[in-house]
Amino acid sequence: DADVTQTPRNRITKTGKRIMLECSQTKGHDRMYWYRQDPGLGLRLIYYSFDVKDINKGEISDGYSVSRQAQAKFSLSLESAIPNQTALYFCATSGSFRVEQFFGPGTRLTVL
Amino acid sequence: AQSVTQPDIHITVSEGASLELRCNYSYGATPYLFWYVQSPGQGLQLLLKYFSGDTLVQGIKGFEAEFKRSQSSFNLRKPSVHWSDAAEYFCAVGARSGYSTLTFGKGTMLLVSP
Repeated sequence: DADVTQTPRNRITKTGKRIMLECSQTKGHDRMYWYRQDPGLGLRLIYYSFDVKDINKGEISDGYSVSRQAQAKFSLSLESAIPNQTALYFCATSGSFRVEQFFGPGTRLTVL
Repeated sequence: AQSVTQPDIHITVSEGASLELRCNYSYGATPYLFWYVQSPGQGLQLLLKYFSGDTLVQGIKGFEAEFKRSQSSFNLRKPSVHWSDAAEYFCAVGARSGYSTLTFGKGTMLLVSP
């Protein structure tokens, strides 16, 4: 079984809809991250959490929110989706005080 | 702030030929350095990492990378490329802090020709 799972793997939605992307991990890591990937732009950090009570904005947090429900779960929400949020979204985890990250398989989100 | 530059957006290499992908970083001290690979439709997989010590590091799938402090570089190499190496490769840098995040380059797409 995969250590980092993301649901859904693909999602098509319409402008203005609320969307939640979920991430779960069985690695026992404290730290979790959300990135978006756009062609030619690499990976950009949206939000990160170093433990259950810690949430931090990343480089591109506008239009997104997150919830850390438990050590193993970290959700990303788009309150009102817009077409330029069409992208590939990745969740990642790392151990305490560790920089090395482990990635989930990604969620491809299309906003029409 | 840390940053990473991958100068080549695309590289095409013949199968069996050697490969070098370039990565330059900007950081005030010696950072942690990583190479990740993303195969089509897949997540990112860690190829190798540099934390300290020997500046030539070995990774999975026959890849290696060399840290050169004087050039602020961490180039990825492979002596003989296989068709299955076709993928996108990302260099990443992290600060030597317990509270650091990673900064990724924009990626290099490797195409392997027969």
